[in-house]
Amino acid sequence: KAGVTQTPRYLIKTRGQQVTLSCSPISGHRSVSWYQQTPGQGLQFLFEYFSETQRNKGNFPGRFSGRQFSNSRSEMNVSTLELGDSALYLCASSGGRSDGYTFGSGTRLTVV
Amino acid sequence: DAKTTQPTSMDCAEGRAANLPCNHSTISGNEYVYWYRQIHSQGPQYIIHGLKNNETNEMASLIITEDRKSSTLILPHATLRDTAVYYCIVSYTGANSKLTFGKGITLSVRP
Repeated sequence: KAGVTQTPRYLIKTRGQQVTLSCSPISGHRSVSWYQQTPGQGLQFLFEYFSETQRNKGNFPGRFSGRQFSNSRSEMNVSTLELGDSALYLCASSGGRSDGYTFGSGTRLTVV
Repeated sequence: DAKTTQPTSMDCAEGRAANLPCNHSTISGNEYVYWYRQIHSQGPQYIIHGLKNNETNEMASLIITEDRKSSTLILPHATLRDTAVYYCIVSYTGANSKLTFGKGITLSVRP
């Protein structure tokens, strides 16, 4: 079956702009999580959505937001981009309960 | 902060077993132990998870101590493609689930 699909794979934006990243989970998975990975901070949890509701949130400023649609696809948005937002953004989906998460290949965002 | 402690790095010879240790002394009774690995520039890959009992799948075995304060991931026959950063994570499931990644352990498999 198809894995977790993230688009786009690479993105270059200018400071002050906003960006929207997309994630299509594995078919049937209702939980979608987002993570940011940087060389300095490693992998950090952004937020998790389940059945269109944000269920958990990490310690990121309000510029980072997300949503989930009825088909479980998810988007995350970063407004007023800063240089420090340059990172690999990873999406992961889960079938629920104690199942492990399946990660996508990520979107590499570069802010210049 | 991550609730696990792992060595920074280790290596093993190709074809030999790789035993990766993890300490999680503050684990709660209903938290699971998960192992993921990340090969450079790719998304993390789920390996295995367990609650109390030892677990085995096609990739690895997970040995959890009886007091649940530590665990060991075993790759029975390491190959060069197993070279990666391995993360040991403790996590609730359901509404409180999130993965808190530490720095992980870098496993280098040598020919």
